[in-house]
Amino acid sequence: NAGVTQTPKFRILKIGQSMTLQCTQDMNHNYMYWYRQDPGMGLKLIYYSVGAGITDKGEVPNGYNVSRSTTEDFPLRLELAAPSQTSVYFCASSFDRGDSPLHFGNGTRLTVT
Amino acid sequence: GQQVMQIPQYQHVQEGEDFTTYCNSSTTLSNIQWYKQRPGGHPVFLIQLVKSGEVKKQKRLTFQFGEAKKNSSLHITATQTTDVGTYFCAGRSDKLIFGTGTRLQVFP
Repeated sequence: NAGVTQTPKFRILKIGQSMTLQCTQDMNHNYMYWYRQDPGMGLKLIYYSVGAGITDKGEVPNGYNVSRSTTEDFPLRLELAAPSQTSVYFCASSFDRGDSPLHFGNGTRLTVT
Repeated sequence: GQQVMQIPQYQHVQEGEDFTTYCNSSTTLSNIQWYKQRPGGHPVFLIQLVKSGEVKKQKRLTFQFGEAKKNSSLHITATQTTDVGTYFCAGRSDKLIFGTGTRLQVFP
């Protein structure tokens, strides 16, 4: 099992550009999450999904969109990138909402200049 | 809204010294999880505590969940350089909220 796979690992965007961060998991987990981590800070939840076709906002959803067409994939879309979106983005998955631990991908380091 | 705070923010210790990080929630939690993130890495799950007053050990790591289920602690005995990283608690009530993390540096 590869676990949670994120691509790309690094990306530099110009202000106003758009991009999609890819996330896929092969553990058949129902729950998937997107977090951002600013330097020296904790993890802030952007969006999450409890299953295919269902998504919901987290703490900091503005400027982002997600979709969940399959159990495996949970892409994060940035429209009109802004410097405030410079961060490390982590995708995670879990079997359920209750007691299951989160499995994280290796992260995408995004810089918007 | 639900908030989870961790102290201290940073801790520098000499190898062999003990280390403790504390986690406090503004709301009662159904469970609390602990994660470790190595520099440049991703968070990795360490343990979950569910019961009031629960204590769990993993080798030199001791995890406690408060009686009121609003606070938790992680204690490392005799730190080693391999313990370097940031330790996060994540408390679940309505949602799973991550604490701000404690960055541990261990000097040989």
